Amino acid sequence: GQQVMQIPQYQHVQEGEDFTTYCNSSTTLSNIQWYKQRPGGHPVFLIQLVKSGEVKKQKRLTFQFGEAKKNSSLHITATQTTDVGTYFCASGYSSASKIIFGSGTRLSIRP
Amino acid sequence: EAQVTQNPRYLITVTGKKLTVTCSQNMNHEYMSWYRQDPGLGLRQIYYSMNVEVTDKGDVPEGYKVSRKEKRNFPLILESPSPNQTSLYFCASRPSGTETQYFGPGTRLLVL
Repeated sequence: GQQVMQIPQYQHVQEGEDFTTYCNSSTTLSNIQWYKQRPGGHPVFLIQLVKSGEVKKQKRLTFQFGEAKKNSSLHITATQTTDVGTYFCASGYSSASKIIFGSGTRLSIRP
Repeated sequence: EAQVTQNPRYLITVTGKKLTVTCSQNMNHEYMSWYRQDPGLGLRQIYYSMNVEVTDKGDVPEGYKVSRKEKRNFPLILESPSPNQTSLYFCASRPSGTETQYFGPGTRLLVL
């Protein structure tokens, strides 16, 4: 079935370092969404990318959608302790009714 | 306040004892969905509903039932829970025409 692979599973960085998580699919995606889940919390929608090669920024976060619409990345510049959590990518298929999530990347930060 | 609520938040039960986890949203969203979250597996979709009386299976529907009699409510039913259904469950909703899902706080279920 449809799968979205996400790497790495864990990332431990020093505060101030950059962080990147990647999502890859073997099939073309209609769109990709990114969510953040704080420890003990629920997923919170961050952004959606739809167009091939699209790049969007939210303050220190940069989101990219690949030219072939098969991969995406989330890059955080100069991490802060508030960035701690698990980041998930997700994509809709079958008329966007079904949603597939990546397995997530858990980010922890050394102050 | 616009929100998705789930009850109960925590539940310990025994194998075979039927249970229902309720989900309610006050945003008049057409689409609602249930997910389970397990370590290393991310969120997996159990069932979703495009609107009242319209439901369909997600990726892991076995052992679960849902109903959508009203727009605001989307209960998840476990007729005969088993230990492999021990998990963290999230309900989510979104309006039609967007992909932005709003998640409930989660229900942590332990089946002994």
